[in-house]
Amino acid sequence: EAGVTQFPSHSVIEKGQTVTLRCDPISGHDNLYWYRRVMGKEIKFLLHFVKESKQDESGMPNNRFLAERTGGTYSTLKVQPAELEDSGVYFCASRRGQGETGELFFGEGSRLTVL
Amino acid sequence: QKEVEQDPGPLSVPEGAIVSLNCTYSNSAFQYFMWYRQYSRKGPELLMYTYSSGNKEDGRFTAQVDKSSKYISLFIRDSQPSDSATYLCAMSDLHGSSNTGKLIFGQGTTLQVKP
Repeated sequence: EAGVTQFPSHSVIEKGQTVTLRCDPISGHDNLYWYRRVMGKEIKFLLHFVKESKQDESGMPNNRFLAERTGGTYSTLKVQPAELEDSGVYFCASRRGQGETGELFFGEGSRLTVL
Repeated sequence: QKEVEQDPGPLSVPEGAIVSLNCTYSNSAFQYFMWYRQYSRKGPELLMYTYSSGNKEDGRFTAQVDKSSKYISLFIRDSQPSDSATYLCAMSDLHGSSNTGKLIFGQGTTLQVKP
């Protein structure tokens, strides 16, 4: 079974440009999460999809960030326009349902560098 | 004040040593307590989880939760060079009978086990 895959693994852009990160969750997983780790800080929750619906987007930093999950399969996270402070590693995670622990399976992350 | 505090280390120990990793937290609503292991350039992977207070053992790993002190620990016995990684504590409150999936992470402790 394929794990959570993220693309690109690393993106370097200029301030003011747009970047779109993609996440393919594990097949059959209705729940999809985006997290971010800024250098020197802890991993922080951004938002949670259940299928195509946003369940919780309380962690989204501002309106420059737009997440979508059309059709309830893969998800994209767009940053437009990017700022220097957006640099970090963006992790996607998925899980099938709530369950006992509802273990989250993380992807390897997309590293974003804004110059 | 951060919700979860974790000493980032680094922590360096000789092979075979007992390792103790710890986190403190402030939110009494947390019910699920997890330890993730993250190798360099990889995503976090779930190592141990504990619901509410108590101990849990899995091979060389033991997780402890003391809710009265808001303190959790991970012990690694007979540490191996392959245990060298960053260890992240994470916590979650409840959604129904399971965790919400909205994890609050500590900063992570970098562990190096020297042969």
